[in-house]
Amino acid sequence: QSVLTQPPSVSAAPGQTVTISCSGSDSNIGDNYVSWYRQLPGTAPELLIYDNYHRPSEIPDRFSGSKSGTSATLGITGLQTGDEADYYCETWDTSLSAGVFGGGTKLTVL
Amino acid sequence: EVQLVESGGGLVEPGRSLRLSCAASGFTFGDYAMNWVRQVPGKGLEWVSGMSWNSDYVGYADSVKGRFTISRDNAKNSLFLQMNSLRAEDAALYYCARGTRGVIIGGFDYWGQGILVTVSS
Repeated sequence: QSVLTQPPSVSAAPGQTVTISCSGSDSNIGDNYVSWYRQLPGTAPELLIYDNYHRPSEIPDRFSGSKSGTSATLGITGLQTGDEADYYCETWDTSLSAGVFGGGTKLTVL
Repeated sequence: EVQLVESGGGLVEPGRSLRLSCAASGFTFGDYAMNWVRQVPGKGLEWVSGMSWNSDYVGYADSVKGRFTISRDNAKNSLFLQMNSLRAEDAALYYCARGTRGVIIGGFDYWGQGILVTVSS
């Protein structure tokens, strides 16, 4: 049981837009920055979003992040087949004094 | 180019110890927090431990607290994870991950390729 809750799977057609939610609590998302990662099969995770909505320079602006209260959302526009991967949210939990991940969301591009 | 290369994994019996290492290059190691994140193949990511740039702050997941010890040598650009009293549930792919800043909070911007730890008799 993960501290952060993500939908197990989402799907959309190429070119469409998808959002992935991440729900937490006051002690984690409500109190700290959220990051998002993409993990392609057989590879290490890759940072997509940090500090709630900032993108590393190499990440295209098709990827966006937002946070409101104790929830965060990753948005992906112009879906491509290469976006098929597992996506994870992550933040710090102040009460646990530990980093916490969501359970991951498998994105399928139909 | 930032590179993180883990080593020290392998097969170990339950109750024994293992020490993982992470060799960093391509950036000023002493400026960044460093972390260990693990993943059971086919499962999700789990943060294991993190250490601030100057070793002042250390954090552990409850699942490893008291058994694992993180350390770093900024002069040698290296991060370590001493894992004692290993259990079957510690078996996973262990990633070394750089923090986005000097403190642990704020995500992980570079990851190694991971090193496999198997715990079995």
